[in-house]
Amino acid sequence: RKEVEQDPGPFNVPEGATVAFNCTYSNSASQSFFWYRQDCRKEPKLLMSVYSSGNEDGRFTAQLNRASQYISLLIRDSKLSDSATYLCVVNRNTGFQKLVFGTGTRLLVSP
Amino acid sequence: DTAVSQTPKYLVTQMGNDKSIKCEQNLGHDTMYWYKQDSKKFLKIMFSYNNKELIINETVPNRFSPKSPDKAHLNLHINSLELGDSAVYFCASSQGPGRSPNSGNTIYFGEGSWLTVV
Repeated sequence: RKEVEQDPGPFNVPEGATVAFNCTYSNSASQSFFWYRQDCRKEPKLLMSVYSSGNEDGRFTAQLNRASQYISLLIRDSKLSDSATYLCVVNRNTGFQKLVFGTGTRLLVSP
Repeated sequence: DTAVSQTPKYLVTQMGNDKSIKCEQNLGHDTMYWYKQDSKKFLKIMFSYNNKELIINETVPNRFSPKSPDKAHLNLHINSLELGDSAVYFCASSQGPGRSPNSGNTIYFGEGSWLTVV
């Protein structure tokens, strides 16, 4: 079983839709959590950190449920430019941070 | 200005060859990484250096040898290339190694080096 699991998708949604991605992680000792975004043939870039209380950044909302060991990302009012792969990332901090990446969920937003 | 730059961007080479990928960061970060992204898009850490010192060494064949001449550079040398080494190799850096529990430093990636072994 992978340490970080995501539905690979693709999620096909029209512009303006709301879409949610979930991610589960297996290591209960994981310390911090992130969503990264990766465009086709590009490098991953940090989208947002995920805090226990939940956090929002514009149209993006991230939630963490430590008890169930899952992380979610909600995107409201999808834009064409949101089309990308969203990587769930868990920091397995064992002395030094070690980011463990999920394989990503692909989002395609169509006109 | 590119924050994390790596060269070459594309590399096609034959099995058995030895090749190097170079990486430089101008962010003043102390920690640098090499990640590998395979054909299934799975991104996995290979090595991490903090101030030129190796701090993370995942289970990677010893054909892969990282070298950090200073904290702004981390190069990756690969000996006796195999077909399975074909992947995208990403260099990355962060402010620090994230020693404390709950601390995570944002990691900035280079644009990747597409390695194809034929």
